[in-house]
Amino acid sequence: GENVEQHPSTLSVQEGDSAVIKCTYSDSASNYFPWYKQELGKRPQLIIDIRSNVGEKKDQRIAVTLNKTAKHFSLHITETQPEDSAVYFCAASGGSYIPTFGRGTSLIVHP
Amino acid sequence: EPEVTQTPSHQVTQMGQEVILRCVPISNHLYFYWYRQILGQKVEFLVSFYNNEISEKSEIFDDQFSVERPDGSNFTLKIRSTKLEDSAMYFCASGRGSGGANVLTFGAGSRLTVL
Repeated sequence: GENVEQHPSTLSVQEGDSAVIKCTYSDSASNYFPWYKQELGKRPQLIIDIRSNVGEKKDQRIAVTLNKTAKHFSLHITETQPEDSAVYFCAASGGSYIPTFGRGTSLIVHP
Repeated sequence: EPEVTQTPSHQVTQMGQEVILRCVPISNHLYFYWYRQILGQKVEFLVSFYNNEISEKSEIFDDQFSVERPDGSNFTLKIRSTKLEDSAMYFCASGRGSGGANVLTFGAGSRLTVL
């Protein structure tokens, strides 16, 4: 089955800095890569996603890049704000429509 | 915006008791899922359900677990005889599964505490 590795497990930045979270996947058939943000005690919420026919997607301060050849994808957050502090999960899915999640990255943005 | 609703939000039970967690997926979604998250750990896939049957399940989803869609709206997860290690947050999710991707919407979760 699919295996998703995510790094780093914890990321601490100063407000205004950029944050980058990286994921790799194992199944070359995976074609959909969502990113979820989970605030403490709350549900995971989709913040951005990318499909395998696209290399990059941007939505205001967040962007995701995908390298299908290397089987890795990354989340980029620019101009970080304290409210960006949360756990971020990457995921990968293919024809089974079952996302496999990475272990999560705890992002801490210091004011 | 449509939501996935889950009940109860928190359940405390004794080891060996049966527990039923309930979910109402988004009405036009076709794929339903249960995931669990042990405190501080990642979200783990348990089971997916499509066309009124289990489409896939993980190693975690053993004979103690079962799922049902008893009517057109509810989707339930039953744990037959709870163990201490079943203590976790259980998330229900649903998706439409169209266009080669499945955007999942998660419910708020049911926190299960087994004593």
